Amino acid sequence: EAGVAQSPRYKIIEKRQSVAFWCNPISGHATLYWYQQILGQGPKLLIQFQNNGVVDDSQLPKDRFSAERLKGVDSTLKIQPAKLEDSAVYLCASSPETGGLDTQYFGPGTRLTVL
Amino acid sequence: AQSVTQPDIHITVSEGASLELRCNYSYGATPYLFWYVQSPGQGLQLLLKYFSGDTLVQGIKGFEAEFKRSQSSFNLRKPSVHWSDAAEYFCAVGELTSYDKVIFGPGTSLSVIP
Repeated sequence: EAGVAQSPRYKIIEKRQSVAFWCNPISGHATLYWYQQILGQGPKLLIQFQNNGVVDDSQLPKDRFSAERLKGVDSTLKIQPAKLEDSAVYLCASSPETGGLDTQYFGPGTRLTVL
Repeated sequence: AQSVTQPDIHITVSEGASLELRCNYSYGATPYLFWYVQSPGQGLQLLLKYFSGDTLVQGIKGFEAEFKRSQSSFNLRKPSVHWSDAAEYFCAVGELTSYDKVIFGPGTSLSVIP
C-alpha cells in the first residue's frame, strides 16, 4: 500500500512570495489533514477535510492560507503572501474513517524556509 | 481546553537501557491517547493508542504505555532501547467533537548513546 505522498520536499522562498504544497493521501482514505510543525514544537492542525468538505479550519490563517481537496482525493495548501513565521514543516496526513481518532498516516512533509 | 504536556524536551539514554517518556494531559472526559514517533526526515508513525479497557497498552517496536487516570498521565516505556529508537516522540490526546480532532504535545527528543 502506497503511503501519503507530498511534494515538494523542500522549498525556499522570499517573504511576500507565494507557495503551494501538494498532498496525495492513501487511496480510499476519507479524512485528510494539514499540519504545521514549527521547529521544536508538535504538529498543529491547520485544516481537516472529510471527503471534499472542510470540517475544521479554525487555526488556518485565512488571510494568507488556503486549501482545497479536489474530488475528495488530492489536496493543495497555498500560502500567499508568505511571512517569515511561516517557516516550518507542513505535514499532510490521512485516515480511513471520517474521524480524527482513527490512526493518522503521515507523509514525509514539506520543509518551507521563508527568507 | 484540552492540552498535552511532555515535561522532557530532550532525553539521552544508553543503548540497552530502559526508557520512560512522560506525558500529561488535560481533558474533562475519558481521553483518547496516542503516542507517535517521528524519525529524522520521515513522517509521524503511530506507536500505540488507548481508547478504553486495559490501562497497559502494547504497541509496535516493543513500546508500551500505561494510562493512569489519577495522575492524568500516559507514559511511554521500553525495557531496552536500540540505537534506531533515536527520534522525536509525540504524545497526543483525541478531542471528541462532531468530527474529532487530535492535539499533539510538544514532543520529546530521544538520543541513544551506543
